[in-house]
Amino acid sequence: AQSVTQPDIHITVSEGASLELRCNYSYGATPYLFWYVQSPGQGLQLLLKYFSGDTLVQGIKGFEAEFKRSQSSFNLRKPSVHWSDAAEYFCAVGAENQGGKLIFGQGTELSVKP
Amino acid sequence: DSGVTQTPKHLITATGQRVTLRCSPRSGDLSVYWYQQSLDQGLQFLIQYYNGEERAKGNILERFSAQQFPDLHSELNLSSLELGDSALYFCASSPSGGGSFRDYTFGSGTRLTVV
Repeated sequence: AQSVTQPDIHITVSEGASLELRCNYSYGATPYLFWYVQSPGQGLQLLLKYFSGDTLVQGIKGFEAEFKRSQSSFNLRKPSVHWSDAAEYFCAVGAENQGGKLIFGQGTELSVKP
Repeated sequence: DSGVTQTPKHLITATGQRVTLRCSPRSGDLSVYWYQQSLDQGLQFLIQYYNGEERAKGNILERFSAQQFPDLHSELNLSSLELGDSALYFCASSPSGGGSFRDYTFGSGTRLTVV
């Protein structure tokens, strides 16, 4: 069965520092991969997605993610974090043979220190 | 505005009651998906409808049911509510029946509080 693991439940970084959020997935074929962000009490905003092609994907708000098939990973990065990036981040995988459902990781809560 | 409309935004009800959550998909989308986000279970897929028919089922309780109407809006019915059903319920829509995630769009959710 497909699964998504986000090993870090909570991460704190200083404003201006770089950020990497980890995501590992389990799926036999090439998955569809997503990163979403959720501010407290808000909905899900799509940051970026990977379907095929270039393994480095650019998203909104200065985020990028890299698909590494050999490591079954899709880590999210940002070179310089802003205080407004504090939120919860979810990695998700869509499986072609599972209809249209997305399987989400447990989320990583990001705190930003001034 | 994502184009996916969920109503109501907030709902407070008592244990044992029944509620209905509504989702209007983006114009032209035929699939509707329901997700539940709770503190215990995280974000999990409940059920998918495509053009009026159930397409896929996830971890949906027997007390919960859904349907999609001819105008493609969908309703999620939750009955015999328990405190543990308190959660944020998201709806998403997409143009196709599955396997293509290119235009997958989430609504802003309905927050259900059971007291």
